[in-house]
Order: sequence, then structure tokens, then C-alpha cells
Amino acid sequence: EAGVAQSPRYKIIEKRQSVAFWCNPISGHATLYWYQQILGQGPKLLIQFQNNGVVDDSQLPKDRFSAERLKGVDSTLKIQPAKLEDSAVYLCASSPRGGTSGLTGELFFGEGSRLTVL
Amino acid sequence: KNQVEQSPQSLIILEGKNCTLQCNYTVSPFSNLRWYKQDTGRGPVSLTIMTFSENTKSNGRYTATLDADTKQSSLHITASQLSDSASYICVVTPPSRGYQKVTFGIGTKLQVIP
Repeated sequence: EAGVAQSPRYKIIEKRQSVAFWCNPISGHATLYWYQQILGQGPKLLIQFQNNGVVDDSQLPKDRFSAERLKGVDSTLKIQPAKLEDSAVYLCASSPRGGTSGLTGELFFGEGSRLTVL
Repeated sequence: KNQVEQSPQSLIILEGKNCTLQCNYTVSPFSNLRWYKQDTGRGPVSLTIMTFSENTKSNGRYTATLDADTKQSSLHITASQLSDSASYICVVTPPSRGYQKVTFGIGTKLQVIP
């Protein structure tokens, strides 16, 4: 089974520029997550989708970050304009049901998109 | 205060030695507790999963234990290998019928040296 696909793997931009990341979850997975992982820290949830609806975006800096999952499959995360503190790895994950409950609920992560803001 | 705290923050051990990583949590009860391994530059990969009623789970040289009374979980790595060098993240999922907010620890960075 194909894993979670993310692109690009690496991106370097200058502050105030914009950037977009793309994620294609595992086929059939209803839930999609975007996490921000700053060097030396654990992943921080930015936004969680259930199909194409937003379940949680409480930690998404909405003045500069936006995300969509229009058809309930793949998703894009955009940052505009970028700040130096946005330098991080952006991880996309998916899970097969609504959340990660029970024995089999698991987050499957992509390889991440590493963003460097200069 | 983070609901999931891990220790130590970093650890260096010799190849072949055993080590134990700790996870203290305040999320209780929970649906499941997972340990993830994250290689440098890669996404996290699940190692073990335990439900609230389980107290041990093994995956090869990795053994996770859970003490619900003290709200602690440990990940024990036996006969470490160079490929075990990675960050190990403890993740707790609270019970809910609908939306569930997964809580991540910041991880323990393990370095295995020859």
C-alpha cells in the first residue's frame, strides 16, 4: 500500500514570500492532519480534516497559514507571507477513521516538507 | 504544562547496550498510547501501541510498558544497534467518540555509537 506522499521535500524561501505544500494521504483514509515540527520539538498540530471538513484548526496561525482539502482526498497547506519562525518540517499524516481511537487507529506520516525561511 | 513529558531529552549509548526511555503523561484515561520512532529527516513511524488496560507490548527489540497507576510508560531497547539512532516520541490519544486530539511528547533523541 502506498504511503502518505508529500511534496516538495525541501523548500528555501525568503521571508515575506509564499510557499505551498501538498499532501496525498493513504487511499481511503478519512482523516488528514498537518503538523509543524520545529527542530528539537515534537510535532504540533496545525489542522485536522475529517473528509473535507475542518475538525480542529485552533493552532493554525490563520493570518498567514491556510489549508484546504477540497475533495476530501489530497490537501494543500499554504503560508503567506512566511516568517523566519516558520522554518520547520511540515508533516502530513492520515488515519483510516475519525481520529485515532481504538487498537488499530494510527497516524501514518509522510516524510515531511522541510521549510527554511531566510 | 505539556500533558506528555519525556525523559531524558537526549541519550548516548554504546552499540549493544540496553536503554530505557520514559514517558510521563497526564491524559487519563486514554484510548491508546503509542511510541513512534523518527529517523532524522523522516516522518515518525509507529513502534508500539497499548490500550489503557495493557501493561506491556513488544516489537522485536523494542518493549513498551505501561503503568496506569503512576501514569508512566517506558520504551526499553535491547541490544541497541546503530540504526536505533533516532528520536522516540510518546503519543497519547484521549478517548472520544468523535474528534480526538492526539498529544505528542517532544521526544527523546537517542544516539547509538560504535
